[in-house]
Amino acid sequence: EPEVTQTPSHQVTQMGQEVILRCVPISNHLYFYWYRQILGQKVEFLVSFYNNEISEKSEIFDDQFSVERPDGSNFTLKIRSTKLEDSAMYFCASSELIRAKNIQYFGAGTRLSVL
Amino acid sequence: LAKTTQPISMDSYEGQEVNITCSHNNIATNDYITWYQQFPSQGPRFIIQGYKTKVTNEVASLFIPADRKSSTLSLPRVSLSDTAVYYCLVGDSGAGSYQLTFGKGTKLSVIP
Repeated sequence: EPEVTQTPSHQVTQMGQEVILRCVPISNHLYFYWYRQILGQKVEFLVSFYNNEISEKSEIFDDQFSVERPDGSNFTLKIRSTKLEDSAMYFCASSELIRAKNIQYFGAGTRLSVL
Repeated sequence: LAKTTQPISMDSYEGQEVNITCSHNNIATNDYITWYQQFPSQGPRFIIQGYKTKVTNEVASLFIPADRKSSTLSLPRVSLSDTAVYYCLVGDSGAGSYQLTFGKGTKLSVIP
């Protein structure tokens, strides 16, 4: 069964450093997403991406964050100048462009620990 | 996006059928009802989706009454591995928004 893969599974970084979280969406999917989940809290939407541009973003997704699809397979989330409160699980998801159904498939996540 | 209400937690013994009901009183005509499952430290996993009446797949069944103001996820004969958080989501990607809005979900604990 096709799946979304994320690397690394765990990223440890010092406060103020930049991190790049990587995702390989399911190959025939056209929409890509990033979500985050702070320990013990809800899964929160960050951004959606289609046709090489951001289609939606939440208020969490400020100038500290950026996304990119550098080639035909990878989808990345860059977090600049990390803060302690950025520590969370970050999930990538992808979906086919099927309007009104929007079933999203999630990766296993990257645990980001900011020290 | 329609607001959903579901129980915070449920306990069940192994082998029993578990029904988790979600209320969505202001569901819109174009909205689909989707359920996800999440294990600790893993991403949400799609379980089932429906629009009306009953949908069944190899994992679960989804019952939706005629007024569509609620839905019930049914897990037959649960095992310990079904211990997870279950999320009910209601939305219409046809309105242009593709983001999923997760609530707190229902934490199901299966007891041996």
